Amino acid sequence: AQKVTQAQTEISVVEKEDVTLDCVYETRDTTYYLFWYKQPPSGELVFLIRRNSFDEQNEISGRYSWNFQKSTSSFNFTITASQVVDSAVYFCALRPYNFNKFYFGSGTKLNVKP
Amino acid sequence: GAVVSQHPSRVICKSGTSVKIECRSLDFQATTMFWYRQFPKQSLMLMATSNEGSKATYEQGVEKDKFLINHASLTLSTLTVTSAHPEDSSFYICSVSGQGEDTQYFGPGTRLTVL
Repeated sequence: AQKVTQAQTEISVVEKEDVTLDCVYETRDTTYYLFWYKQPPSGELVFLIRRNSFDEQNEISGRYSWNFQKSTSSFNFTITASQVVDSAVYFCALRPYNFNKFYFGSGTKLNVKP
Repeated sequence: GAVVSQHPSRVICKSGTSVKIECRSLDFQATTMFWYRQFPKQSLMLMATSNEGSKATYEQGVEKDKFLINHASLTLSTLTVTSAHPEDSSFYICSVSGQGEDTQYFGPGTRLTVL
């Protein structure tokens, strides 16, 4: 069975603070993909990152960074120096390697206040 | 990534009417398209998966006769909500994926309100 858990329902921070969004997953597959998407108030899901299960190298893209820990089945997302434009709902998702279906977490709503 | 459009972005209809939502992949050959439904403050719920030229595969609990999906080309899929009722009011989102592609790219969504 596949399952993605985003325990943080809502987080509020003040601009310029760093914030980490947690994602924990469950799967029996040995090979899979993990994703993060951003859903701003407009509604469109924006692709942020894809990570293969066999690549545990952490990634940094500007103010965004991702920490993939296979040992703890976590794929956490950190925003450094948050900005008001980062306010959105963020979804973590898992996709088995051999099956094109996404399993989404429940999402974390991030509020960045000026 | 792919650019995906949906039309209309918002639709309001009377109970009992049918509504068609289009999903277009503008720059990408979408061999597979997905339709999701999202209730307020909730996650995405997969309704069905469609491969170009084939019948859609519906998730458990989704009525195939109520939510008609057509994926006639590599760039267009349609979702028709037949005999819509107020409980069908929701945010409907499509996504696309290509041959051998592991990522889904999402459309902007369609907000359906049934009065």
